[in-house]
Amino acid sequence: EIVLTQSPGTLSLSPGERATLSCRASQSVSSSYLAWYQQKPGQAPRLLIYGASSRATGIPDRFSGSGSGTDFTLTISRLEPEDFAVYYCQQYGSSPETFGQGTKVEIK
Amino acid sequence: QVQLVQSGAEVKKPGASVKVSCKASGYTFTSYGISWVRQAPGQGLEWMGWISAYNGNTNYAQKLQGRVTMTTDTSTSTAYMELRSLRSDDTAVYYCARGPATTPTSWFDPWGQGTLVTVSS
Repeated sequence: EIVLTQSPGTLSLSPGERATLSCRASQSVSSSYLAWYQQKPGQAPRLLIYGASSRATGIPDRFSGSGSGTDFTLTISRLEPEDFAVYYCQQYGSSPETFGQGTKVEIK
Repeated sequence: QVQLVQSGAEVKKPGASVKVSCKASGYTFTSYGISWVRQAPGQGLEWMGWISAYNGNTNYAQKLQGRVTMTTDTSTSTAYMELRSLRSDDTAVYYCARGPATTPTSWFDPWGQGTLVTVSS
């Protein structure tokens, strides 16, 4: 199965700053079948990005995804207070689909 | 709006079984599938398996084969996940999430609110 490694484990930033989250796959993710989710404490994950770079319905344009092959990035251009959360990447190019271990974006 | 509503928290003893339900609304149930994902306390996300609400096809994670069964009731737009021979490391929040009808591999949107299953003697 494909192992996804997210870095950094924790990102300490201030509102208004730019956040760059990385997701590296142990082998190439076919057709850029990679998604990103946001999870806040006590809540279910919420889909942000699919197909590596397509924003889900209702997701603000400060969230963007990029990458292909084994290296993917989620960028939050200017952090809003509600963006502080844990972010997971998921590959669905091969079964079983797998998730990264998460990156926590916390207020500095 | 599209919504998945799950059944309430459960406490089970080791060796018992649990069955979690996931009721869908706001879309045509049989045009999609449902995946189940679990999250142990303080841990990441683990995909458990998928069922097509269109034709009942299933695909389970290898580590859970033989212990998990996923079913649907199209008359009530409800999906079910049963896990047997529970162990302490099955303690987790269990989520259902909507996916495609014809393939188990996809992104998930939306997710249910989660069901906490606690396994303890």
